[in-house]
Amino acid sequence: SYVLTQPPSVSVAPGKTARITCGGNNIGSKSVHWYQQKPGQAPVLVIYYDSDRPSGIPERFSGSNSGNTATLTISRVEAGDEADYYCQVWDSSSDHSVVFGGGTKLTVL
Amino acid sequence: QITLKESGPTLVKPTQTLTLTCTFSGFSLSTSGVGVGWIRQPPGKALEWLALIYWDDDKRYSPSLKSRLTITKDTSKNQVVLTMTNMDPVDTATYYCAHTPDTFSNWFDPWGQGTLVTVSS
Repeated sequence: SYVLTQPPSVSVAPGKTARITCGGNNIGSKSVHWYQQKPGQAPVLVIYYDSDRPSGIPERFSGSNSGNTATLTISRVEAGDEADYYCQVWDSSSDHSVVFGGGTKLTVL
Repeated sequence: QITLKESGPTLVKPTQTLTLTCTFSGFSLSTSGVGVGWIRQPPGKALEWLALIYWDDDKRYSPSLKSRLTITKDTSKNQVVLTMTNMDPVDTATYYCAHTPDTFSNWFDPWGQGTLVTVSS
């Protein structure tokens, strides 16, 4: 089965740029989606199809995907961005399944 | 505006069968290209996908849980039902349902608020 690997935690100072990675075998050939989850809340889609933003998501959120790594980038980080972030793909191999990464806790220092 | 809400028991005993209902509004599961998925999250742990059902009644299941899961839809009631057999304490989690407008890449937006299910005798 397909595996997505995320760092458990990332820390960043307010106003700086946070980069959260999602590793997978040839992930660049798949479409990657990203979710933000704040404590006690349901996940919210922040990036889909590698780099598209749903309406209402700030332009500070962007995504890229190439080779074996997809990256969620949050520019000018704010205290309100502190949350868990999950990447997700659709594995269209024999399993035909949704796969989530293990999640990354973003801490704003 | 699309909304989804999960409902079902908050407590089940080991070996029992769990039945959860997702009631939604703002879209129809008879519309081409639409789907509803179930995802769970044990306390303090990561998201885990369980199942998907599409507008054409195609169904997909997590390979590791496939033998225990059944997903069905009632288009007239705007509901999707998930059953999970032989519940175990490790199945204690918040269970979410979510809408997918893209049955090719299957991203989820929006999600329901989730319902916490505890498995204990």
